[in-house]
Amino acid sequence: AQTVTQSQPEMSVQEAETVTLSCTYDTSESDYYLFWYKQPPSRQMILVIRQEAYKQQNATENRFSVNFQKAAKSFSLKISDSQLGDAAMYFCAYRNSGGSNYKLTFGKGTLLTVNP
Amino acid sequence: GAVVSQHPSWVICKSGTSVKIECRSLDFQATTMFWYRQFPKQSLMLMATSNEGSKATYEQGVEKDKFLINHASLTLSTLTVTSAHPEDSSFYICSARGRYYEQYFGPGTRLTVT
Repeated sequence: AQTVTQSQPEMSVQEAETVTLSCTYDTSESDYYLFWYKQPPSRQMILVIRQEAYKQQNATENRFSVNFQKAAKSFSLKISDSQLGDAAMYFCAYRNSGGSNYKLTFGKGTLLTVNP
Repeated sequence: GAVVSQHPSWVICKSGTSVKIECRSLDFQATTMFWYRQFPKQSLMLMATSNEGSKATYEQGVEKDKFLINHASLTLSTLTVTSAHPEDSSFYICSARGRYYEQYFGPGTRLTVT
């Protein structure tokens, strides 16, 4: 079974600074998807960014980018120019590219605090 | 696009009663929906996968007789917590699988059992 590990229960960053959240995963599959979800205090899950394992290029969405290291099974999220609205719980998630119903496996989350 | 709603957003019920939570995909059809449970400051735990027109598939350790799931249409799945007890108090989140296998999440339902 796939596992996702987020080793940082909490992180903090100063407003306008850059922060990197870590995620590692374990799988025997060669094709899969990785995601970062944000859960603000409202508890609505919001997709931040996704990465297809077959793509070598790291995904980028505005201030959010990933460092995908397939061989190391590492998938970190970098948030640049941090804003107060970035404060949230961040979950790393894995999904097989095929198989039963495309279930997501989540890490335990990293609580990000943004200091003004 | 790809909006998922849940109703109610917060429900309080007495121990021993049953409560139903609805999950709707508002602008797309979802053949598959997922139900999660989340305890405070913890991650999402998948409870079951709901497929339209067929029985739900429950994760190991989830009581299917306790958490009844019905997916009668392409836009609606329901989770009924039967004979609820205080330990069932939690935050329940649904998601719907979109056309390209993305999951779109509902806003969640807070259940408090007194």
